[in-house]
Amino acid sequence: AQSVTQLGSHVSVSEGALVLLRCNYSSSVPPYLFWYVQYPNQGLQLLLKYTSAATLVKGINGFEAEFKKSETSFHLTKPSAHMSDAAEYFCAVSASGNTPLVFGKGTRLSVIA
Amino acid sequence: DAGVIQSPRHEVTEMGQEVTLRCKPISGHDYLFWYRQTMMRGLELLIYFNNNVPIDDSGMPEDRFSAKMPNASFSTLKIQPSEPRDSAVYFCASSLFQPQHFGDGTRLSIL
Repeated sequence: AQSVTQLGSHVSVSEGALVLLRCNYSSSVPPYLFWYVQYPNQGLQLLLKYTSAATLVKGINGFEAEFKKSETSFHLTKPSAHMSDAAEYFCAVSASGNTPLVFGKGTRLSVIA
Repeated sequence: DAGVIQSPRHEVTEMGQEVTLRCKPISGHDYLFWYRQTMMRGLELLIYFNNNVPIDDSGMPEDRFSAKMPNASFSTLKIQPSEPRDSAVYFCASSLFQPQHFGDGTRLSIL
């Protein structure tokens, strides 16, 4: 069975500061890992995905994540936060290409001007 | 290119009424997923289909919930009778292979 733990339900950063959102996973098989973003009253939009290719994954809007098998982590980073990055971020794991996603509880990112 | 389309976007109804949520997946996608989002439980899978056939419905809370996929371009999630604890945002997602693409959700409020 898969599970995801997102450390910190709320993260606040200053505009221009580094964004670091933490995600640890548990999986009995090599996982597929994802980060999704949710803006208010909208659905989930894919930021990036890891599917056993390069361990450093680049996504949209300047975000990237690094898969670290030894630490079972898939943390999301962005060098410089923008006000428009304020949203809820979800880490998710899947056992294969077409099995359902198991989500973390989400991290709300606030960006302070 | 049209994404996953869900209707209605918002639904407010009284306890005991039947509720039907609708989803149109992306054309060509052969997997369809229904998820529910609540403050207490977060995002959780309710049921998913492959080629219109239900694969796993173990996440459906109880017999009051049912889901169908009569063809490749349409799915429904029905709650009958509805209860206040069913209030949540219900998402539909579709995929051909990962990743899944999500609709904007239906915000359901049961009074």
